[in-house]
Amino acid sequence: QKEVEQNSGPLSVPEGAIASLNCTYSDRGSQSFFWYRQYSGKSPELIMSIYSNGDKEDGRFTAQLNKASQYVSLLIRDSQPSDSATYLCAVPLGTDKLIFGTGTRLQVFP
Amino acid sequence: DADVTQTPRNRITKTGKRIMLECSQTKGHDRMYWYRQDPGLGLRLIYYSFDVKDINKGEISDGYSVSRQAQAKFSLSLESAIPNQTALYFCATSDLSGGTYNEQFFGPGTRLTVL
Repeated sequence: QKEVEQNSGPLSVPEGAIASLNCTYSDRGSQSFFWYRQYSGKSPELIMSIYSNGDKEDGRFTAQLNKASQYVSLLIRDSQPSDSATYLCAVPLGTDKLIFGTGTRLQVFP
Repeated sequence: DADVTQTPRNRITKTGKRIMLECSQTKGHDRMYWYRQDPGLGLRLIYYSFDVKDINKGEISDGYSVSRQAQAKFSLSLESAIPNQTALYFCATSDLSGGTYNEQFFGPGTRLTVL
């Protein structure tokens, strides 16, 4: 099992819909979880961090963490074409480094 | 603004040439990382450093070397470039505070093509 797994997509949603992106991880001891957005040819940009079970909301983004089930998800409400990008889930490996999933490509169509 | 910068942004070179990619940061972070990204393979860690005296290999360090010249500068070298090192290269920084791993911040990337 990979340490961080994501569905590669593409996930296609219509403009205005909710996009749901999921990530599972293998290290039960992980305490921090991050979502990055990456546009094609650009660098990853941090959009959400979550450290405790439950939901964390920031504007149109909501991160959901369930440590017992070892998954973290990202919801994007009122999806816009500008949200079309690859979304990377990242989980620390110990205190030294981040392990990134391969990303889910999101396409929001008008 | 506190930032992570990379030079050059694009580079085309030939097989066998020595190439250096440079990274500078004004975030004051101790930790710096070099990744490469290939389509379908995600981000793969090449080297990382926690201070100027600490260098660690990542998962794909063969063919690469690094130098941490100062807290703010971390360079990646390809001693003899080969075509399969064609990729997008990112530098990142992070900080460790309160015992909790903190997020990484990425530079804009260098697109390297080895012919």
